Amino acid sequence: LAKTTQPISMDSYEGQEVNITCSHNNIATNDYITWYQQFPSQGPRFIIQGYKTKVTNEVASLFIPADRKSSTLSLPRVSLSDTAVYYCLVARTGGGNKLTFGTGTQLKVEL
Amino acid sequence: DAGVIQSPRHEVTEMGQEVTLRCKPISGHNSLFWYRQTMMRGLELLIYFNNNVPIDDSGMPEDRFSAKMPNASFSTLKIQPSEPRDSAVYFCASSWGGGQADTQYFGPGTRLTVL
Repeated sequence: LAKTTQPISMDSYEGQEVNITCSHNNIATNDYITWYQQFPSQGPRFIIQGYKTKVTNEVASLFIPADRKSSTLSLPRVSLSDTAVYYCLVARTGGGNKLTFGTGTQLKVEL
Repeated sequence: DAGVIQSPRHEVTEMGQEVTLRCKPISGHNSLFWYRQTMMRGLELLIYFNNNVPIDDSGMPEDRFSAKMPNASFSTLKIQPSEPRDSAVYFCASSWGGGQADTQYFGPGTRLTVL
């Protein structure tokens, strides 16, 4: 079971780039790394997923080093609306393990 | 698509009563997940189904909890009897595919309060 470790909280200001790093030392070969975002009183929402190197979409980038023991979610030019909890997940295709969201990282963006 | 639909959105009940939470997954999705979220324990996976069959129920806290998925468009999570420590937000999520790495779409949740 791949356990993840993230910072509990982070603070930033509007317009800055935010990088949230997740540690997953015992990631398995067929595990993928997925990040979700959760606003208060809502369910989590998928942001981005990757297996190795770099993945970019319209809202974020995901950097995964060669050893895959960590990953970094990068949010460019954050705004107040990016204030949320961000979860890093490690899970494999085909099931077989218990999906663990962990406690996530509370990002607070200020003016 | 309407997304994942959960009902009720809020439920207040007394200890010992039976509680039934309902979920309608996104049409075409073949996996369904039930989660519980509390401040103390975060977001926990309770059970997940693939093609209406329970695959992993190791997260179900005890025998008071049961979940069913009689067809591809409906699932229930039942707590009987309920206890104050069951108070939490319960989320249902669905996905296409049989793996837990597949993108999950969450419903709005049901906030349960057991007095």
